[in-house]
Amino acid sequence: AQTVTQSQPEMSVQEAETVTLSCTYDTSESDYYLFWYKQPPSRQMILVIRQEAYKQQNATENRFSVNFQKAAKSFSLKISDSQLGDAAMYFCAYRSGGATNKLIFGTGTLLAVQP
Amino acid sequence: DSGVTQTPKHLITATGQRVTLRCSPRSGDLSVYWYQQSLDQGLQFLIHYYNGEERAKGNILERFSAQQFPDLHSELNLSSLELGDSALYFCASSVEGLGGTDTQYFGPGTRLTVL
Repeated sequence: AQTVTQSQPEMSVQEAETVTLSCTYDTSESDYYLFWYKQPPSRQMILVIRQEAYKQQNATENRFSVNFQKAAKSFSLKISDSQLGDAAMYFCAYRSGGATNKLIFGTGTLLAVQP
Repeated sequence: DSGVTQTPKHLITATGQRVTLRCSPRSGDLSVYWYQQSLDQGLQFLIHYYNGEERAKGNILERFSAQQFPDLHSELNLSSLELGDSALYFCASSVEGLGGTDTQYFGPGTRLTVL
């Protein structure tokens, strides 16, 4: 069975600085997708970024980028120029590339942004 | 705003009761997913419907059931409620739900409190 591990329960970053959130996963599949979702205090789950396992290039969305290391089964999220609105719980998630579309989530990392 | 709507936002009920949570997917999306977020279990996949048919089941209790209607909205029915059922219930939708690059977008959630 696939598992997702987020080993940092809490992180803190100064406004305008860069922070990296860690995520590792375990799978025997070759076709899969990885996601980062953000959950602010409103509790809404917001998609931040997606990475296809077959793509070697790391995904980037504005200030958000990932470092995808397939062999190491690592999928970290880098937030550049951190803003107060980035404060939230961040969840790493795995989805098989097959017909089972369920998302498997990590336990989350609570990010605080200090002004 | 993801385009996924969920009602009600909050629900307070007593043990032993039955409730129905409703979800309307984004326009054009054929798949609906239900997830439960609780303090002790984290975010867990419950069930997936695609175009009216059940596609996959996760850790869904026998007391829980769901369906997707011809207009593609979905309902999650929770019966014989227990204190431990108190959680945030999310609905997500995606275009297809048949693997590939399909991405799930989440609704705002329904907060269920069982007293």
